[in-house]
Amino acid sequence: AQSVTQLDSQVPVFEEAPVELRCNYSSSVSVYLFWYVQYPNQGLQLLLKYLSGSTLVKSINGFEAEFNKSQTSFHLRKPSVHISDTAEYFCAASRGNRDDKIIFGKGTRLHILP
Amino acid sequence: EPEVTQTPSHQVTQMGQEVILRCVPISNHLYFYWYRQILGQKVEFLVSFYNNEISEKSEIFDDQFSVERPDGSNFTLKIRSTKLEDSAMYFCASGGDDYGYTFGSGTRLTVV
Repeated sequence: AQSVTQLDSQVPVFEEAPVELRCNYSSSVSVYLFWYVQYPNQGLQLLLKYLSGSTLVKSINGFEAEFNKSQTSFHLRKPSVHISDTAEYFCAASRGNRDDKIIFGKGTRLHILP
Repeated sequence: EPEVTQTPSHQVTQMGQEVILRCVPISNHLYFYWYRQILGQKVEFLVSFYNNEISEKSEIFDDQFSVERPDGSNFTLKIRSTKLEDSAMYFCASGGDDYGYTFGSGTRLTVV
């Protein structure tokens, strides 16, 4: 069965410092990978996705994630965080058929320290 | 930017009552989903819907739950007899050919 693991429930980091949010997936078949962000009291917004092609994918607000098949990982990184990045970040995976469900990890709360 | 619209944003209901959560997916999307998030927990899949029928449902989606696409634009989730443990944020999502899975802002259901 497909599963997504986010080992860190909370990550505190100082403003302007780099951050990495870890995500590992288990799947015996090809997989599509996503990062969603949930700002306080809001819904889920797609941050970035990996479907195929280049293993490094980037968002418009400076986040990037790299698909690593050998390590079954899809870690999210940002070189310099801002206070506005405070949110819950969910890694998710899908088997890749158009009507397949997305399986979410438990989420990582990014807490930016001033 | 097209978006998925959910109404109401917050609903309070008495235990045992029926509730209908409404969603308007993105107009050219063909795949529809409901997820829920109990406070402080992970986002859980409930059901997927394609071509006017359920594609897949989770074990959470028991006989108390049903989905419908009554008029080609709305996508509804009905809970027949609500329980306290149904209190959660319910998210609707729709998907097209780009595997984007756009989510709505959610309906917070509180069962009292």
